[in-house]
Amino acid sequence: GAVVSQHPSRVICKSGTSVKIECRSLDFQATTMFWYRQFPKQSLMLMATSNEGSKATYEQGVEKDKFLINHASLTLSTLTVTSAHPEDSSFYICSATRPKETQYFGPGTRLLVL
Amino acid sequence: GDSVTQMEGPVTLSEEAFLTINCTYTATGYPSLFWYVQYPGEGLQLLLKATKADDKGSNKGFEATYRKETTSFHLEKGSVQVSDSAVYFCALSFLNYGGYNKLIFGAGTRLAVHP
Repeated sequence: GAVVSQHPSRVICKSGTSVKIECRSLDFQATTMFWYRQFPKQSLMLMATSNEGSKATYEQGVEKDKFLINHASLTLSTLTVTSAHPEDSSFYICSATRPKETQYFGPGTRLLVL
Repeated sequence: GDSVTQMEGPVTLSEEAFLTINCTYTATGYPSLFWYVQYPGEGLQLLLKATKADDKGSNKGFEATYRKETTSFHLEKGSVQVSDSAVYFCALSFLNYGGYNKLIFGAGTRLAVHP
């Protein structure tokens, strides 16, 4: 299957700082990338859908000014958590896909905001 | 709206036991159905999928059959191993305008297999 990487795998930051998470499709060009958030022992919550070269589509209740998504190329999408607070601590997972194909998931990034 | 319901966990089994994790769905139309597995501290891996009624998905000894009449996609394995311990997610998706699949996940079922 296709490979999707995320960087960093873990990050600890102070409250009020911004954190950028990268999602890369390593061996295919992803026209669409998705960003999910997962709380401990819970399911994945879709945050936004990102198409290359256009603005991300956010799910209801997700603050677009808080979670900035950029999909500048067919192999890279970034999620920036701006002015992070402890309640933003979570496991963030991205996935990448092409039309009519399955989503391929990254390994996730664990964010801890102190 | 579209949704997926899974049996609550945790499911605790001894090695070589038979596994069933129930999954039912509600959807308008004809979705594709998936099982994903998440090992501790990792992202999701596609385990198997089925795209139409009566299709059977299978992988690594796991099987699930798309049952339209009962709107179910139960996951089964005849003999589990300790290495199967993980969280299993049932999901459905539809093709949207852009041709991409928006996944709707169930809550997940944690499986613990003991030697």
